[in-house]
Amino acid sequence: DIQMTQSPSSLSASVGDRVTITCRASQSISTYLNWYQQKPGKAPKLLIYAASSLQSGVPSRVSGSGSGTDFTLTISSLQPEDFATYYCQQSFSIPWTFGQGTKVEIK
Amino acid sequence: QVQLVQSGAEVKKPGASVKVSCKASGYTFTNYYIHWVRQAPGQGLEWMAIINPSGGITRYAQKFQVRVTMTRDTSTSTVYMELSSLRSEDTAVYYCARGQTGTYYDYWGQGTLVTVSS
Repeated sequence: DIQMTQSPSSLSASVGDRVTITCRASQSISTYLNWYQQKPGKAPKLLIYAASSLQSGVPSRVSGSGSGTDFTLTISSLQPEDFATYYCQQSFSIPWTFGQGTKVEIK
Repeated sequence: QVQLVQSGAEVKKPGASVKVSCKASGYTFTNYYIHWVRQAPGQGLEWMAIINPSGGITRYAQKFQVRVTMTRDTSTSTVYMELSSLRSEDTAVYYCARGQTGTYYDYWGQGTLVTVSS
């Protein structure tokens, strides 16, 4: 199975900050990498697919980059609704595996 | 609009089985794979299984291989996930999600809380 490692596991930030979360795969996954946002009690919501494509309806302050084994999710100016937990996920091979999550908290 | 609607919360005793349903609507049921993903309290997301609703072919995570069974009913556009020999560590929210090979989860069910307690 492909292991996905996210960092950091949590971070504190203020509204307006630029936030970057990284995700590393245990082997090359090309650009088969997706990012999700999850709020308490809710199902995950797709933000970025294929490493850098913005899902419809997701604000343009969210972006993704990377290929191979190293990927990044960036929120350029953190808004109150962005405080949540973020997961990367690979769809290169079954089982589709997730990173352990990054919790973004208010400073 | 696309919807995945799951069955309600369950409370089970250790050693019992649970069967959770996921009813799809708003799209052609046999055109999209359905996955099951679970999330234990305060933990991350864990992939369990996938089914191709067209032919019924399944694949399971090795961890659940002997305990999970995924089926589908094309007449009602419903997918089922049955987990047997439940233990306390199986207490979690179970999600169904739609996702094609090599793509992403674009729609999720609302989640079903399964509590295993004596």
